[in-house]
Amino acid sequence: KAGVTQTPRYLIKTRGQQVTLSCSPISGHRSVSWYQQTPGQGLQFLFEYFSETQRNKGNFPGRFSGRQFSNSRSEMNVSTLELGDSALYLCASSLEGAEAWNEQFFGPGTRLTVL
Amino acid sequence: AQTVTQSQPEMSVQEAETVTLSCTYDTSESNYYLFWYKQPPSRQMILVIRQEAYKQQNATENRFSVNFQKAAKSFSLKISDSQLGDTAMYFCAFTADRGSTLGRLYFGRGTQLTVWP
Repeated sequence: KAGVTQTPRYLIKTRGQQVTLSCSPISGHRSVSWYQQTPGQGLQFLFEYFSETQRNKGNFPGRFSGRQFSNSRSEMNVSTLELGDSALYLCASSLEGAEAWNEQFFGPGTRLTVL
Repeated sequence: AQTVTQSQPEMSVQEAETVTLSCTYDTSESNYYLFWYKQPPSRQMILVIRQEAYKQQNATENRFSVNFQKAAKSFSLKISDSQLGDTAMYFCAFTADRGSTLGRLYFGRGTQLTVWP
């Protein structure tokens, strides 16, 4: 079974631009979570989607948004990029259910650099 | 609020030796899940081991085992027979998958483990 895939793997943008990152979960997984990883703040939760609905959201400004499609693929968008948005963005998918252990499977990440 | 604390930013161990990474957490939830993930230089986050809080038996996966002390809210990872490929950042993580933790893992700041020959 294919793992979680994220595209693109690397991205360079300039301040003020916007960016869209994509995540395809493991087949059959309906939950997709997004995290931002930086050296200073560590791993921070952005949001989680399940069956096209946002169920949980972290403490990020409204410039960060996401969505999930009917095939469970998810996108996150960052508008009006700032230098501080430079980070590794990780997507994780999980399988709901009593035997799922709430285990999240991670993609390889998208490295975003804002100049 | 849920918090996860890893008090050892860096550790090193010689190949074939044993090392223990510490993790403490704080929660008011009665049932929850704990994980150790490793993130090698490739940045791919890989699950090492998991533990469900209501299970008293400590989890074991080959050379990796945990010491889960629920009353003390402690969840340490022991790596036996350390190998060079174990060199990575190790993150302790928590979720109760309900309420504010729904679909969310709370991570510690990580412990950078270096295994040297």
